[in-house]
Amino acid sequence: DSGVTQTPKHLITATGQRVTLRCSPRSGDLSVYWYQQSLDQGLQFLIHYYNGEERAKGNILERFSAQQFPDLHSELNLSSLELGDSALYFCASSVATLAGYSYNEQFFGPGTRLTVL
Amino acid sequence: AQTVTQSQPEMSVQEAETVTLSCTYDTSESDYYLFWYKQPPSRQMILVIRQEAYKQQNATENRFSVNFQKAAKSFSLKISDSQLGDAAMYFCAYRIISGTYKYIFGTGTRLKVLA
Repeated sequence: DSGVTQTPKHLITATGQRVTLRCSPRSGDLSVYWYQQSLDQGLQFLIHYYNGEERAKGNILERFSAQQFPDLHSELNLSSLELGDSALYFCASSVATLAGYSYNEQFFGPGTRLTVL
Repeated sequence: AQTVTQSQPEMSVQEAETVTLSCTYDTSESDYYLFWYKQPPSRQMILVIRQEAYKQQNATENRFSVNFQKAAKSFSLKISDSQLGDAAMYFCAYRIISGTYKYIFGTGTRLKVLA
């Protein structure tokens, strides 16, 4: 158990709908990362939040958005869903001091499997 | 742009034997970290081993070791005394040492362990 929790575990929805995925980082971790893993693919970086602020964006679609709340949990919002959005969505957290050299291992949650029908 | 390449989509190994998974990467950075993650059927991402680029010594964790060749930008994973529980997808990942800390993953190698 990495200490990172994600809800829900599974989500089945229809095209055009909107869903929210939730992530609670490990206690004390300030950084949250979101990754997308399509079928039999590697993980693709979507977005990084540090202590409530967006730090970096990857190949995240405009239909997708995220935020990190004062209690440090994060939500990934996916709207106008398409069949191709079906994937496993991972959240990871790290201490991430952002200063100096730091190992900052990322700890991954169990993922949310999204199926768009 | 940094890229990570795993050229072996699938590998097989007999139980108790040794197998090596390949990973190459491309970067202009001089300092970075490299990782191997295991993803079993449960889909959980499990850290296997990590290597700091500024360290010349290859990392070792029990039956897992790496062969890090910085000049060649190569980072292979050796699994000794393979066990049935080692069967999984293995992902190589790269991370710069500062900045956003995002990971860049390879496409993975599926390892099958034969009894």
